[in-house]
Amino acid sequence: ETGVTQSPTHLIKTRGQQVTLRCSSQSGHNTVSWYQQALGQGPQFIFQYYREEENGRGNFPPRFSGLQFPNYSSELNVNALELDDSALYLCASSLGDRYNSPLHFGNGTRLTVT
Amino acid sequence: SQQGEEDPQALSIQEGENATMNCSYKTSINNLQWYRQNSGRGLVHLILIRSNEREKHSGRLRVTLDTSKKSSSLLITASRAADTASYFCARGGETSGSRLTFGEGTQLTVNP
Repeated sequence: ETGVTQSPTHLIKTRGQQVTLRCSSQSGHNTVSWYQQALGQGPQFIFQYYREEENGRGNFPPRFSGLQFPNYSSELNVNALELDDSALYLCASSLGDRYNSPLHFGNGTRLTVT
Repeated sequence: SQQGEEDPQALSIQEGENATMNCSYKTSINNLQWYRQNSGRGLVHLILIRSNEREKHSGRLRVTLDTSKKSSSLLITASRAADTASYFCARGGETSGSRLTFGEGTQLTVNP
């Protein structure tokens, strides 16, 4: 069983640039969620994709967007980067969009915006 | 914004002692989950308790849920140095599917 993998592990960008983060789901999982975790804080929900469609979004501006592909892998895109976007971005996969479904997290991408 | 609060923010104990972490939340839930995070890495699911359950065990972990008080606790018995990590509670809402709302976490340090 392959776990959740994220790439890259670290990334440094300049304010105003755009970034794409990638995630491969655990095998058999069809739901992907993205979370942002600032230093010393708990993860905050960005959005969730189920069968290639966004089916939930947190309090993040439209410059945060995503995709889910037919193989259930996913991308998180952030445009017009701001300094406050510096954080650990976590991808999590799960089976279905049902309740009571534990999330399986990758090790995250550490994004630094300068 | 975070919908839950965890208490304490930091906890330091000796190996062999028990560690108790508490979590409070404000709105109704479908389930409550606990996760562990080692420094700078991904979160690992520990245990899930449904809103109609009051207590659940998994190995050295014991979780309780009191929906009338909107609170939960995680007890780690006979702690080990390897238990050193941040622990987060996460609320699964009644209408949010598998979306979770995390608390701020408790940093647990177990001294050998």
